[in-house]
Amino acid sequence: KNQVEQSPQSLIILEGKNCTLQCNYTVSPFSNLRWYKQDTGRGPVSLTIMTFSENTKSNGRYTATLDADTKQSSLHITASQLSDSASYICVVSETGGSYIPTFGRGTSLIVHP
Amino acid sequence: ETGVTQTPRHLVMGMTNKKSLKCEQHLGHNAMYWYKQSAKKPLELMFVYSLEERVENNSVPSRFSPECPNSSHLFLHLHTLQPEDSALYLCASSQAAGPYNEQFFGPGTRLTVL
Repeated sequence: KNQVEQSPQSLIILEGKNCTLQCNYTVSPFSNLRWYKQDTGRGPVSLTIMTFSENTKSNGRYTATLDADTKQSSLHITASQLSDSASYICVVSETGGSYIPTFGRGTSLIVHP
Repeated sequence: ETGVTQTPRHLVMGMTNKKSLKCEQHLGHNAMYWYKQSAKKPLELMFVYSLEERVENNSVPSRFSPECPNSSHLFLHLHTLQPEDSALYLCASSQAAGPYNEQFFGPGTRLTVL
């Protein structure tokens, strides 16, 4: 059964600090992995997409990594801002024509001033 | 108006009521999706439409009935719901259906079933 596990479940950091969120998956055959940011009361917004051959991808202060061999991904946030407070969701899709991706439960990040 | 819009934003209904959720996308996309987001659970994909044709029904109970009259509009008709159906219902659209296409989400409808 395809699964996506995210850790930690929740995280509290001070503004300006860095943090790293983890995503482990068992989805196979692998197509791509996305990180989404979901602000409270809003729909998710895609931050990055990574395919099998990509190891690192950045979007501003967000940097995602992918190790397809160990089936692990991380999202690193640099110099956190109050606006980074949100839920971060890891989503993994498989090849083979399926429209149904596998979602993680998300990591709830709170950035305090 | 731009992006993906959903109405209503909040809905409270009894188990015997019939209501509908509406989604509209202004992005010129050809695929639309309904998701359910419950507290402490992962997002669940419910339905996928591609070019107004339903291409995926992820084992959703028949009390949820989707309708896609054109590529810009998507409805979710609700009837005889259960309290456990209370959740945030998200609509999304993408250029085409499939895992490589970025999905753009609406703000969601917060549904409470009494």
